Amino acid sequence: ETGVTQTPRHLVMGMTNKKSLKCEQHLGHNAMYWYKQSAKKPLELMFVYSLEERVENNSVPSRFSPECPNSSHLFLHLHTLQPEDSALYLCASSQDWGQDYEKLFFGSGTQLSVL
Amino acid sequence: GNSVTQMEGPVTLSEEAFLTINCTYTATGYPSLFWYVQYPGEGLQLLLKATKADDKGSNKGFEATYRKETTSFHLEKGSVQVSDSAVYFCALRPQGAQKLVFGQGTRLTINP
Repeated sequence: ETGVTQTPRHLVMGMTNKKSLKCEQHLGHNAMYWYKQSAKKPLELMFVYSLEERVENNSVPSRFSPECPNSSHLFLHLHTLQPEDSALYLCASSQDWGQDYEKLFFGSGTQLSVL
Repeated sequence: GNSVTQMEGPVTLSEEAFLTINCTYTATGYPSLFWYVQYPGEGLQLLLKATKADDKGSNKGFEATYRKETTSFHLEKGSVQVSDSAVYFCALRPQGAQKLVFGQGTRLTINP
């Protein structure tokens, strides 16, 4: 148990659906991240929030919309996704953005399938 | 730009075999280098790191040496166990940057 919890573990959705992924950490960390893990591709950083402000947005399509209502929670809202968006979506947290950044604590991920 | 290239998986070995997973990188300056491990059903966790040339990172019997001359950071273990079955990610943090750049991961399966 790393202290970062993601729900749901698995999600199947159609291209017209709207769904949300949830991430929660109770480690007292100030930075939270969304990563996309696709087969045979490098792990891709999608978004970074530091103290509830977005500090990184790596050219992610607008059909992915992050939300960080407080330092313990991070959401990824999904709408009108494409089949190529099927992947494992990982949430992570760290004490601060930029410091000890390599000490990331990852959740187990949400396996998303878009039909 | 900055990038990390890992050997293509999957890698399948027998218990007690010697393991090498190759990792090479492209980066300007002096990046920090990392190996992360992802056990089945879990998120990634830091396995080891090296922050300057010729440093050796080690943990749980795994080792990797930062080789600037060959821009490599190969992961090695002398005798693998079934419990080492996981996906291994090589990563770098460019000098002065805040982001990690990951490789594509190498799936390792150890058979008893």
